[in-house]
Amino acid sequence: NAGVTQTPKFRILKIGQSMTLQCTQDMNHNYMYWYRQDPGMGLKLIYYSVGAGITDKGEVPNGYNVSRSTTEDFPLRLELAAPSQTSVYFCASSYSGLEKLFFGSGTQLSVL
Amino acid sequence: GENVEQHPSTLSVQEGDSAVIKCTYSDSASNYFPWYKQELGKRPQLIIDIRSNVGEKKDQRIAVTLNKTAKHFSLHITETQPEDSAVYFCAASMEDTGNQFYFGTGTSLTVIP
Repeated sequence: NAGVTQTPKFRILKIGQSMTLQCTQDMNHNYMYWYRQDPGMGLKLIYYSVGAGITDKGEVPNGYNVSRSTTEDFPLRLELAAPSQTSVYFCASSYSGLEKLFFGSGTQLSVL
Repeated sequence: GENVEQHPSTLSVQEGDSAVIKCTYSDSASNYFPWYKQELGKRPQLIIDIRSNVGEKKDQRIAVTLNKTAKHFSLHITETQPEDSAVYFCAASMEDTGNQFYFGTGTSLTVIP
């Protein structure tokens, strides 16, 4: 099992550009999450999904979009990148939502 | 939504001493409380968790206690070692739509050899 795979690991964007962060898991988990981690601020939930075809907003969804067409994949789309979106992004998955979160290796994004 | 507060933000201890990190939560419906360790540049990894029907749980040098009445839970690390140096996050989750995990802001633990 590869677990949760996130790509890319690093990315620099110019203001106004768009990109998609990819996330895939091979554990057949229903629950998937996208978090951003700013220094000293912990992990903030952007979007989450409880199964294919179902997504919902977390604490900080503005400027992002997600889709969940399959159980395995949960891409995060950034439209019109802004400097405030400079952060480390983590994708995570869990079996039931009340179980251990498995995190991807993270994406360090800079918007300049 | 749930609000999780974590203290202290930084903690330095001598090797061999104990370390305690405390978290409070606001929503009495929360019923799952995991702790994650994040080493520099790495992903968070679960080190221990506790559910609301249990008051204490131990795993070797690590223990977690939960006080549902006061809505707080704590991580205890005994006989600290340099490899315990990391950022520790507490979290709370509840069995409702989505089971969102709410994280504390983290504690940077430094174990001084």
